[in-house]
Amino acid sequence: QSALTQSASVSGSPGQSITISCTGTSSDVGSYNLVSWYQQHPGKAPELIIYEVSNRPSGVSNRFSASKSGNTASLTISGLQAEDEADYYCCSHAGSYNWVFGGGTKLTVL
Amino acid sequence: EEQLVESGGGLVQSGGSLRVSCAASGFIFSSHSVNWVRQAPGRGLEWVSYISATGSRVSYADSVKGRFTISRDNAKNSLYLQMDSLRDEDTAVYYCARTVKYAFDLWGQGTLVTVSS
Repeated sequence: QSALTQSASVSGSPGQSITISCTGTSSDVGSYNLVSWYQQHPGKAPELIIYEVSNRPSGVSNRFSASKSGNTASLTISGLQAEDEADYYCCSHAGSYNWVFGGGTKLTVL
Repeated sequence: EEQLVESGGGLVQSGGSLRVSCAASGFIFSSHSVNWVRQAPGRGLEWVSYISATGSRVSYADSVKGRFTISRDNAKNSLYLQMDSLRDEDTAVYYCARTVKYAFDLWGQGTLVTVSS
């Protein structure tokens, strides 16, 4: 159950787009279309922003989009806003009702 | 309003035990599987344990297998995590989280467990 690999940090200016990648293995990301993404602001609980690779829950901005290719999933945030500054975590089902998270990516809006 | 509220965190000595709880409201608790996810100070999220809607199926991360026990009481709309043989590395905020479509769609505010040697 090794953690998924995410870059530690990413930054962008307001209005720009950024992409966060999440690399797993053929036992997790590569095997299941069950990747989810979470946004976490400091001192707050995580919030679900993407499920089943690319689906947005009701109420989540369409500036958030995601995809998967092979063992790597990606989250793109377009039209960056100050409120997007947060930590982002990917997560994948890994079989037998087990899950694995990525190490997290800190997004800084310049 | 759908809500999960954790309680029971605190300071415990290494090797000791603690039980944390999660109270659900605003939705049909018995229809959903739920999980515990933890976050060590300044670190990332780690999935800890899963329990099915009826409680018939459970699973654990390797890091806690054999030491932690997840359970639920659907009559009380409550989820529990019994933590035994606690180690320093178990120090974390423990969140309960509801599962929908293999994602965690509803989270509590967390309860801090501190293990001190």
